[in-house]
Amino acid sequence: DGGITQSPKYLFRKEGQNVTLSCEQNLNHDAMYWYRQDPGQGLRLIYYSQIVNDFQKGDIAEGYSVSREKKESFPLTVTSAQKNPTAFYLCASSGGAATSIYEQYFGPGTRLTVT
Amino acid sequence: DAKTTQPPSMDCAEGRAANLPCNHSTISGNEYVYWYRQIHSQGPQYIIHGLKNNETNEMASLIITEDRKSSTLILPHATLRDTAVYYCIVIGRGTSYDKVIFGPGTSLSVIP
Repeated sequence: DGGITQSPKYLFRKEGQNVTLSCEQNLNHDAMYWYRQDPGQGLRLIYYSQIVNDFQKGDIAEGYSVSREKKESFPLTVTSAQKNPTAFYLCASSGGAATSIYEQYFGPGTRLTVT
Repeated sequence: DAKTTQPPSMDCAEGRAANLPCNHSTISGNEYVYWYRQIHSQGPQYIIHGLKNNETNEMASLIITEDRKSSTLILPHATLRDTAVYYCIVIGRGTSYDKVIFGPGTSLSVIP
């Protein structure tokens, strides 16, 4: 089945460590996104990528980094510079031939806890 | 880009229609209204979108007022599985992705 996978579902790290969250899609979508969600809040955009080897900062990019070496993959690294990394991280994609670029398909999310 | 205002929470009896309002009084002519929902601890799911005509699909109906300043998402026969946070978003053609804002939404509770 086509879709977006994120792994792992739960992730625990010690403060000061970098951690990379995986996001893979087999929908042949051009655009991919990373969002952060804190309890009771909406989604905030971290980074987005419209094509391979190109990406742009969203509203809260500080302390995060991404790469887009393949169309299917858009990993997010949470660096030690991110002051409050504990959150629910969501990956999304859009831009298939038959859909609007604003119809975003989301993965199941990764819940990161840093202690 | 136009901002949206939604009530923070609503209840609906199971089997009844759930009508979720959204105010977007500053919407401009080329901006679409999109609805997503997010079930607890899952990723959001696209529901429906429209420009000025009413729209219906297998999940819901979208009613946009004639002046386009507000809209209502209708779930015709709500089930317990429809309990979720519903997001109303206004997006214009050519909008940069960093302007697509998922606000706090409306938390819908479907009650048995």
